[in-house]
Amino acid sequence: DTGVSQDPRHKITKRGQNVTFRCDPISEHNRLYWYRQTLGQGPEFLTYFQNEAQLEKSRLLSDRFSAERPKGSFSTLEIQRTEQGDSAMYLCASSSGLTNEKLFFGSGTQLSVL
Amino acid sequence: AQTVTQSQPEMSVQEAETVTLSCTYDTSESDYYLFWYKQPPSRQMILVIRQEAYKQQNATENRFSVNFQKAAKSFSLKISDSQLGDAAMYFCAYFPDPSFGNEKLTFGTGTRLTIIP
Repeated sequence: DTGVSQDPRHKITKRGQNVTFRCDPISEHNRLYWYRQTLGQGPEFLTYFQNEAQLEKSRLLSDRFSAERPKGSFSTLEIQRTEQGDSAMYLCASSSGLTNEKLFFGSGTQLSVL
Repeated sequence: AQTVTQSQPEMSVQEAETVTLSCTYDTSESDYYLFWYKQPPSRQMILVIRQEAYKQQNATENRFSVNFQKAAKSFSLKISDSQLGDAAMYFCAYFPDPSFGNEKLTFGTGTRLTIIP
């Protein structure tokens, strides 16, 4: 197992386009988190899943954002009608049921909206 | 809501010397977890050290140790024998006790650490 995997590493898109990111957590980790990080800031929580159930969504997650984890394994984060303010690093993390507080992070997807 | 404050945007230290990064937090809970994460230029978040609030003993991991002052809500990170590879952004983070729900990491704004050769 090589850790949390995110795809793509970089995404450049034009304003108004839709984008989708994928996260593959560490095997058998039942918790999966999405965070957003802008330059010079700490990561901000977006949402998290316990298996396939989405347990909490941040107010940062506008109606244009949707996240899924249909089979309790990988997750996707979709942003519709992207805006320049969506430009950020999107980080995924996972944790196991035994130590929910220990989050392991992926390398992130850097989104640039032109 | 919990908040995490890192008041030092940037710090620098001579190679092989010791440096301390500061962090304070605000919570009304008695049980929780505190973390330091390192984010090098690759932007991968790497867990450095973890402290459980119910443990009085300060956590240590090789050259990294913490000074946890629960009453003062202070959680500083000490890096001994600083190495060039320690250069990174360091984030302090808070995770509540699971019994309270709201189970997510809250991060500070980070401290950029520069190592001077």
